[in-house]
Amino acid sequence: QSALTQPRSVSGSPGQSVTISCTGTSSDVGGYNYVSWYQQHPDTAPKLMIYDVTKRPSGVPDRFSGSKSGNTASLTISGLQAEDEADYFCFSYGPTYSPFGTGTKVTVL
Amino acid sequence: QVQLQESGPGLVKPSETVSLTCTVSGYSISSGYFWVWIRQPPGKELEWIATINHSGNTYYSPYLRSRVTISVDTSNNQFSLQLRSVTAADTAIYHCARYMFGGGSCYFDYWGQGIPVTVSS
Repeated sequence: QSALTQPRSVSGSPGQSVTISCTGTSSDVGGYNYVSWYQQHPDTAPKLMIYDVTKRPSGVPDRFSGSKSGNTASLTISGLQAEDEADYFCFSYGPTYSPFGTGTKVTVL
Repeated sequence: QVQLQESGPGLVKPSETVSLTCTVSGYSISSGYFWVWIRQPPGKELEWIATINHSGNTYYSPYLRSRVTISVDTSNNQFSLQLRSVTAADTAIYHCARYMFGGGSCYFDYWGQGIPVTVSS
């Protein structure tokens, strides 16, 4: 099965912005507005950060935002904070198979 | 607060069947949503395995369909996964999660912490 492609790692200093890309195909990311993003700290359950490309669940800081262009979705963290250091992965609905992203480690310098 | 907790054996022998259970608290499975199993092999990305709803409608990954059965026990507010004929490639952390699909939305809003399953003789 084909996973969605994410950069292995991104980093930034506190206060900076970082963007994580998530590239799929027209059969998943490009075909549906059903991309979601998850944050996972070590040994904890994943946490929903963005859903339906741009929507933010209650309780998620507004420095997290999502977007999509063509077959690539993006998660932007503005005003990076120490607690944002974690693994992030994307997910997209697909009619025959719904893939996850390869995962990105965000490091706060 | 919705919580999910996986349970099952941590070690399984090759060719055997592994059975995992997800116990849900804070929400009745009978009330709706879909419920899923997802796994993450070491060093690899997450992989969707199977989905079920409270009515017992099931959906399987085409890559695992022949070896997987998902079931629901609404009386105990649990759902389960059976994975047959396991090999070392099935070694992974197995998560259960609540899945919202419909009404223009699609996402996993609550996850279990995950249970590590190792396939080894």
